[in-house]
Amino acid sequence: DSGVTQTPKHLITATGQRVTLRCSPRSGDLSVYWYQQSLDQGLQFLIQYYNGEERAKGNILERFSAQQFPDLHSELNLSSLELGDSALYFCASSARLNTGELFFGEGSRLTVL
Amino acid sequence: GQQVMQIPQYQHVQEGEDFTTYCNSSTTLSNIQWYKQRPGGHPVFLIQLVKSGEVKKQKRLTFQFGEAKKNSSLHITATQTTDVGTYFCAGDNQGGKLIFGQGTELSVKP
Repeated sequence: DSGVTQTPKHLITATGQRVTLRCSPRSGDLSVYWYQQSLDQGLQFLIQYYNGEERAKGNILERFSAQQFPDLHSELNLSSLELGDSALYFCASSARLNTGELFFGEGSRLTVL
Repeated sequence: GQQVMQIPQYQHVQEGEDFTTYCNSSTTLSNIQWYKQRPGGHPVFLIQLVKSGEVKKQKRLTFQFGEAKKNSSLHITATQTTDVGTYFCAGDNQGGKLIFGQGTELSVKP
């Protein structure tokens, strides 16, 4: 158990819909990262937050947005969903501002039909 | 932008054989990390290398960081069935982004 909690574990929705994925980092960790893993793909970096502030951005689509709240949990919002958005979305947390060891949650598997 | 390439994509070995995966970055890295993802699981941190030319060992696993801090390798000696999974390298250029390679999927035939 990494200490990182992600909900929901599975989500099935239709094209055009909007979903929110939630992540609670390990106790005390200030950094939260979001990654997308498609079938047979590596881990695509989406975005990083540190103590509520956006720290780094990857190839995150404009239809996607994220935020980190004062209690340090984070949410990833995916809107106008397309079939190609079907993937496993991982959240990871780290104690440091600059990347140290990342602790990954178990992921949220999104299926868009 | 920063890219991290990893080869091979797949490796099938007989139990007891050695295994190596290689990682190359398009930019100089401040550090490199290695993760293992078991089938159906999430990535789990293995190690972080920071110094140029650094070599670290964990039992049968040997990790190297290149002199130019742009490449790295993971070598497993005498693979076991418990080594099955996908091994990822991840490069940090201090931009706040930890960029993962595509991973090498290792299968081990008993």
